[in-house]
Amino acid sequence: QVQLVQSGAEVKKPGASVRVSCKASGYTFTNYDINWVRQATGQGLEWMGWMNPNSANTGYAQKFQGRVSMTRDTSINTAYMELSSLGSEDTAVYFCARGEFGMETSFDIWGQGTMVTVSS
Amino acid sequence: DIQMTQSPSSLSASVGDRVTITCRASQSITRYLNWYQQKPGKAPKLLIYAASSLQSGVPSRFSGSGSGTDFSLTINSLQPEDFGTYYCQQTYTSRAFGPGTKVDIK
Repeated sequence: QVQLVQSGAEVKKPGASVRVSCKASGYTFTNYDINWVRQATGQGLEWMGWMNPNSANTGYAQKFQGRVSMTRDTSINTAYMELSSLGSEDTAVYFCARGEFGMETSFDIWGQGTMVTVSS
Repeated sequence: DIQMTQSPSSLSASVGDRVTITCRASQSITRYLNWYQQKPGKAPKLLIYAASSLQSGVPSRFSGSGSGTDFSLTINSLQPEDFGTYYCQQTYTSRAFGPGTKVDIK
């Protein structure tokens, strides 16, 4: 079946970086964008950016520009999100989600979420 | 940046009620508006895309309408499993989500 499976929970110290992976199966990986969305405990959904696995083109929310990097390895159908200079405010569940290319997009398949905790 | 607002921020309704949630954009987003449902501890689920198209597998009691700046999600005959938080999302510029509407069942 079509699914996205994310890597496990992470605990990081302030100032460190974290990389979360998102493995796609059941569909052609390069035919859809991968988006990243995070959610702090008790808070709403915050879109971070998108990556086109075919071209490797990316688009990041202004808030995260300079601090986030979205990449992929098409040989293993896996997308990655790396966030640097972590602070306590980055403690959240991070989701990957599949979306169609372009403006007329919606996120129809989601990963299970990865908890990232930033603590000294 | 386009700002998204939702109202109400929360509501409590009875099984069988008709529930309407509204989403407003700070400028026209034509029909680039999606709706999601999220339950605690779970990933969001796509309900409506392109303002009014029902995602495959979603019950027909869910419907969406609107264009430009004003949109609504309606749940006809609310069911116990419809509790959760509902988010709108604009894809006209970025992919930003609205702040959410929490729905409780009385």
